[in-house]
Formats: sequence, C-alpha cells, structure tokens
Amino acid sequence: QEELQESGPGLVKASETLSLTCTVSDASIDNYYFNWIRQPAGKGLEWIGRIYYTGSSGSTNFNPSLQSRVTISLDTSKKHLSLKLTSVTAADTAVYYCARGVAGGGFDYWGQGTPVTVSS
Amino acid sequence: SYELSQPLSVSVALGQTARITCGGNNIGSKNVHWYQQKPGQAPVLVIYRDKNRPSGIPERFSGSNSENTATLTISRAQAGDEADYYCQVWDTSIGVFGTGTKVTVL
Repeated sequence: QEELQESGPGLVKASETLSLTCTVSDASIDNYYFNWIRQPAGKGLEWIGRIYYTGSSGSTNFNPSLQSRVTISLDTSKKHLSLKLTSVTAADTAVYYCARGVAGGGFDYWGQGTPVTVSS
Repeated sequence: SYELSQPLSVSVALGQTARITCGGNNIGSKNVHWYQQKPGQAPVLVIYRDKNRPSGIPERFSGSNSENTATLTISRAQAGDEADYYCQVWDTSIGVFGTGTKVTVL
C-alpha cells in the first residue's frame, strides 16, 4: 500500500518561494509518475506538474500556466518529491497534494494534502 | 489548451441512478479518469481509463466515453456517494481536470 505525505510551511510571504516535500513510502519509485496538484478553498483541482523517474534520470512536465515558476525534483535515495513555486501571490493559496500515477492512467494514490497560505 | 466541462451539480434520489458528464473536444480519443472527493479529504480514484474500477470501488460505479462526452454513472445511489466528482485526462503530457460536479443524494 503506497503512502504519500506532504510537508512544508503553511505560511509563505508574497513574492517568496513556496517549498514543499512529499515523502513516498513505496519500496520502488521507478516507472511511476509523481505529481503535484493543488486546490484553492472551495474550488476545483489544478494539476501543477509531474516527474517521471526511471533508472538514473527523471523527466518533467508542467502546467503551461505555471511552468515559468515551478520546479519539481525527486531525491531517489530519500524518496522525497519536492515542489518549488517562485514569486507566489495570494492566488497560490491552496491545499497542495502529491499523487502517484502510471503511464496513461489516473492518480491512484494521494497524500492527505497540506494547506498553504500566501500572506501579504 | 484543452478544456473539460462538467455540470455544476447533479441530484439523485436515494437508490436511483446518477449520471455525471464530462465534455471535451473528441474526448472519446483519450483515456478518462474519475475522482470522488468528500469534504476535507483527498480525491479518490473511482474509474480509470474510461471504465475500469480500482480495487475496492463498488460495482455501482461505471464509466463510458464516446465522441465528445465521457460519463460516470452511479447506480443505486447511497448517501455515502454525496461528494464532488472530477474527470481528468492527459493532453499531450499535460494533466487536465474537469470543473467538478457536486452530487447530492436526496
């Protein structure tokens, strides 16, 4: 049973960088896509981006609307997925989820989500 | 960019059938996944690749996809099915979610 757990500061100042970590419990992270998804309060889900790791390298894809501000990386030794979102504004206030997926499939395991508020 | 549209809300009587649509240009050519989200909880995958149920999802949940509309069907609706439901596809390696539908069981 895969488990994912997000962590990070719940409060970030406007114009600064939001940094979150997702710890992956499964024995193997190879051949899975690891995604970040967010949800502002009372609103729908927004896909941020993903990383796919196989062997010695990873490849990433990003939501075009966020691409210029987003970095996603994967520390395979620690099984930590990370998200960095630069130059945040109030519009980035949301619950942030990490989720696992397979090629052509949906997101089969999700973290519980971590709320992030951007303060002015 | 690719867009998916869903009705804002769907109501269903207890024990009856609810159908939630997800509209998109030629969505029938894509794999559609469906998620159930209850208040304060993370989404749960209920249908993947149009019509497949993950382990533990009741047979009451089914899916179809053709031309410009995908549909999630909930048969014999129960009070516990009250939730928000989202469809999702991949559009050239970009994840896209539908606008979400709130299902109310009367």
